Amino acid sequence: SQTIHQWPATLVQPVGSPLSLECTVEGTSNPNLYWYRQAAGRGLQLLFYSVGIGQISSEVPQNLSASRPQDRQFILSSKKLLLSDSGFYLCAWSVPGTANYGYTFGSGTRLTVV
Amino acid sequence: GEDVEQSLFLSVREGDSSVINCTYTDSSSTYLYWYKQEPGAGLQLLTYIFSNMDMKQDQRLTVLLNKKDKHLSLRIADTQTGDSAIYFCAESFSGNTGKLIFGQGTTLQVKP
Repeated sequence: SQTIHQWPATLVQPVGSPLSLECTVEGTSNPNLYWYRQAAGRGLQLLFYSVGIGQISSEVPQNLSASRPQDRQFILSSKKLLLSDSGFYLCAWSVPGTANYGYTFGSGTRLTVV
Repeated sequence: GEDVEQSLFLSVREGDSSVINCTYTDSSSTYLYWYKQEPGAGLQLLTYIFSNMDMKQDQRLTVLLNKKDKHLSLRIADTQTGDSAIYFCAESFSGNTGKLIFGQGTTLQVKP
């Protein structure tokens, strides 16, 4: 069966420190992968998506970057965190060409920048 | 552009029906979805509807789609306290990216 792992679950980082959040998918090949951010009291904002290894599309200009070094691994990074980077980060995957199945989400990472 | 709007809060009594509404802007959407998010957790797909359908029923859930008005609703019959959560509607687009655009989420509070 397909599963998605996201870690860490919570993270407190000082302003200016680097960030690396990892997401891995099991049980499927060549998934579409996504990073979303949910700011406090707000909806979901699509940050990045990837349709294949090394292929990253950015939706919103920001302090973050994403990479996909392996087929089922998606990494969200920052060189220097800002206070405004605080939020709940969600990784998700979907099977290309099967839009009716929607996404499967990870359990999320709560990032607090202090 | 792509935009999905939802009311932010709904409060109902246990046993009543809940209706959560959503409007979207892109008429080329192929599928529309409802997701549920419990506190501190990721999102769970509740149900979806293809854009050429008007209604879909799945146990206590009924989805209504008015494509002309670009209006989507989720009705939860016999609402229970366990239904308290944030509900997101989302629209998808044709093509390989599988991008979903989400609304802001509606917080459903169920009072005993």
